[in-house]
Amino acid sequence: SQQGEEDPQALSIQEGENATMNCSYKTSINNLQWYRQNSGRGLVHLILIRSNEREKHSGRLRVTLDTSKKSSSLLITASRAADTASYFCARSNSGNTPLVFGKGTRLSVIA
Amino acid sequence: DTAVSQTPKYLVTQMGNDKSIKCEQNLGHDTMYWYKQDSKKFLKIMFSYNNKELIINETVPNRFSPKSPDKAHLNLHINSLELGDSAVYFCASSQAPDLQFGNTIYFGEGSWLTVV
Repeated sequence: SQQGEEDPQALSIQEGENATMNCSYKTSINNLQWYRQNSGRGLVHLILIRSNEREKHSGRLRVTLDTSKKSSSLLITASRAADTASYFCARSNSGNTPLVFGKGTRLSVIA
Repeated sequence: DTAVSQTPKYLVTQMGNDKSIKCEQNLGHDTMYWYKQDSKKFLKIMFSYNNKELIINETVPNRFSPKSPDKAHLNLHINSLELGDSAVYFCASSQAPDLQFGNTIYFGEGSWLTVV
């Protein structure tokens, strides 16, 4: 299966703390994307990292990619209550293969 | 303006009924998708269309029939609904089907289907 795993499945932190979510996958990728889903809403794209990149930043988000370990992490710094959501990684392989999503990490940021 | 819009947002129906979910995108994208998200949040691709042509059909029961009248619309019709069809169905679009070059997917808000 191309499906990977995200861990932890759920994470609860205090506002102001950093949140780290991990994503592992099994097959080679061209890029890896992170999406966010607020409760009862659709998924929103956050950041994309290509297979030849090791780290990428966007505001309070930092994504790393280790292709040798087939893993990625998403770090949210100085978390806010509004960051409460589920976060999904999605892998892109070659050609027209669809994005493969993990099961997500449910992040709760407590004010 | 909503980029990917789908209707209805909520749908409660009895087993055996037939229902449709409509989707429209105003992003000018060539590719549209249907994803299914189960109660455990697992998101799985069902179909993908590029310029009205089916390019991905992920072993979905043939009770599910997508239709794309034009590249801005992708509707999902479900026949003989079963309890296990209860899920959230997401329509989505991307500029092109080839996601390896960094195309990202834009999702609709989801349609909550409950079969009773």
